[in-house]
Amino acid sequence: QAVVTQEPSLTVSPGGTVTLTCGSSTGAVTSGHYPYWFQQKPGQAPRTLIYDTSNKDSWTPARFSGSLLGAKAALTLSGAQPEDEADYYCLLSYGAAVVFGGGTKLTVL
Amino acid sequence: EVQLVESGGGLVQPGGSLRLSCADSAFTIKNYWMSWVRQAPGKGLEWVANINEDGSEKYYVDSVKGRLTIYRDNAMDSLYLQMNSLTAEDTAVYYCVKYATAMVWSWGQGTLVTVSS
Repeated sequence: QAVVTQEPSLTVSPGGTVTLTCGSSTGAVTSGHYPYWFQQKPGQAPRTLIYDTSNKDSWTPARFSGSLLGAKAALTLSGAQPEDEADYYCLLSYGAAVVFGGGTKLTVL
Repeated sequence: EVQLVESGGGLVQPGGSLRLSCADSAFTIKNYWMSWVRQAPGKGLEWVANINEDGSEKYYVDSVKGRLTIYRDNAMDSLYLQMNSLTAEDTAVYYCVKYATAMVWSWGQGTLVTVSS
């Protein structure tokens, strides 16, 4: 099964901008992988942040956006807030099977 | 609002069995693919298995094939995971997820499975 890669950790300053990426061992990530991004805070269940590359869930703050960047899926946070400190997981679809990335621990400092 | 509620987790000995359940309070399970996702303590998310709307298609991560079985009862608005031959590597919080292709994933709050003697 494919391996999905993410940066293990990133740090962003309050008000700053950061981009998290999601790559695939099988080649370029495309819209056909239906990239997802999930946010998880300690002790909580994950929740959908971005689905199908760039669509936002009803709760997703406007400062988050999803895209394809080169050969990867990307999650960009513009204007980071302290409450954005969390783990972020991407998910890619390979037919009916899906694979999560290892997660990125985002620190707002 | 809470829609998916998992149950059935607990402490089980290595080699033992457990059945997890997931109830959908929105009573819409029949319209969605369903999935089990797990998270070992301090680790990342791992997709375990999924099942299509009528239960005719099932897919598993390689590490659980032959030991874990996903199935559903749409009349009861419920999803299940039968877990056999459990090992310490199966220790995790198990989440139930409801989704449609390229649409939002809705998550339950999870149930903890601990495999230990």
